Amino acid sequence: NAGVTQTPKFRILKIGQSMTLQCAQDMNHNYMYWYRQDPGMGLKLIYYSVGAGITDKGEVPNGYNVSRSTTEDFPLRLELAAPSQTSVYFCASGRGYSYEQYFGPGTRLTVT
Amino acid sequence: QQQVKQSPQSLIVQKGGISIINCAYENTAFDYFPWYQQFPGKGPALLIAIRPDVSEKKEGRFTISFNKSAKQFSLHIMDSQPGDSATYFCAARKQESNTGNQFYFGTGTSLTVIP
Repeated sequence: NAGVTQTPKFRILKIGQSMTLQCAQDMNHNYMYWYRQDPGMGLKLIYYSVGAGITDKGEVPNGYNVSRSTTEDFPLRLELAAPSQTSVYFCASGRGYSYEQYFGPGTRLTVT
Repeated sequence: QQQVKQSPQSLIVQKGGISIINCAYENTAFDYFPWYQQFPGKGPALLIAIRPDVSEKKEGRFTISFNKSAKQFSLHIMDSQPGDSATYFCAARKQESNTGNQFYFGTGTSLTVIP
């Protein structure tokens, strides 16, 4: 099992550009999550999904979009990148109503 | 608004000592309190978790103490080792009946264990 994989590992974007952060899991988890991690702020939930075709907003969804067409994949879309979106982004997955989340290795994004 | 408050921000402990990290919350709808460990350049990994109807849970050198009336919980790392040097996050889970789980994380504690 590869677990949760994220691509790319690093990316530099110019202000106003768009990009998609990819996330995939091979554990057949129905729940998937996107977080951002900023220094001294912990992890903040951006969006989450309870299954294919179902997504919902977390604490900090503005400036992001998600889709979930398959159980395995949960891409995060940034439209019109802003410096405030400079962060490390983590994708996670979990089973049903379990309290455990499995995190990917993260994507470090810089917007300049 | 930080739903889960964590302290201290950083902690330095001698090898063999006890590391203590504290967290507090307000929302009584939280039903699980996991702790995560994160090494530099890696994603967080689940360390230990507790339900609010349990006052203590121990796994090896790691113990969670939970005080439901005070809405506080803490992680104790006994016999701390240099390999425990990492950032630790407390978290709280809220179950939504229609839309699933949401997790709220503390701001993290950077632990350094010196030999």
